[in-house]
Amino acid sequence: EVQLVQSGAEVKKPGESLKISCKGSGYSFSTHWIGWVRQMPGKGLEWMGIIYPDDSETKYNTSFQGQATISADKSTTTAYLQWNNLKASDTATYYCARRRDHNFDYWGQGTLVTVSS
Amino acid sequence: QSALTQPPSASGSLGHSVTISCTGTSSDIGGSHYVSWYQQHPGKAPKLMIFEVSKRPSGVPDRFSGSKSGNTASLTVSGLQADDEADYFCSSYVARNNFVFGTGTKVTVL
Repeated sequence: EVQLVQSGAEVKKPGESLKISCKGSGYSFSTHWIGWVRQMPGKGLEWMGIIYPDDSETKYNTSFQGQATISADKSTTTAYLQWNNLKASDTATYYCARRRDHNFDYWGQGTLVTVSS
Repeated sequence: QSALTQPPSASGSLGHSVTISCTGTSSDIGGSHYVSWYQQHPGKAPKLMIFEVSKRPSGVPDRFSGSKSGNTASLTVSGLQADDEADYFCSSYVARNNFVFGTGTKVTVL
């Protein structure tokens, strides 16, 4: 069974760093792109970027370039989303999702990130 | 890349149908065979309902159907059930590993 299990909710202060994770299982993790999607409170889905775990090739939505960093470790079948300087505007639920062809067929349960002083 | 445009809300009576539109440009929907639709219940992760404009993943009822004309894609839900009440998002593959989502439509079952 394909599963993407994300790390738990986080509460951080502005300026802090954070790395959230997405562990894949039940399929060949290395050979499927993993995407990250932001959903701000009460808002829609925003595609942030995508990574190919086998060689860590990464593509960012230009709107998110430089805002957060996507990485992956194929040895632990885990993808990551990382911030070095969190802002209140980063408060959102973040989803990872497995890309199949040109859509996302399996999704993680979401990680709520709250940034507040 | 701007978000695809969807109506904020749509509604239909139990057992009836509702159609949601998703409007983009020739750079995304108009030029792509790869339009997807996702259903999201409150507090839950999105679920793939339609891919490649009109194909359904295994397990998705045939009450859900998709189509496209020009720069606009549509999702129709027939035989509305209470559990169909959710947010629906369209998405298009744009090229070179870029994707864009729609603004989302809240479907209410009357």
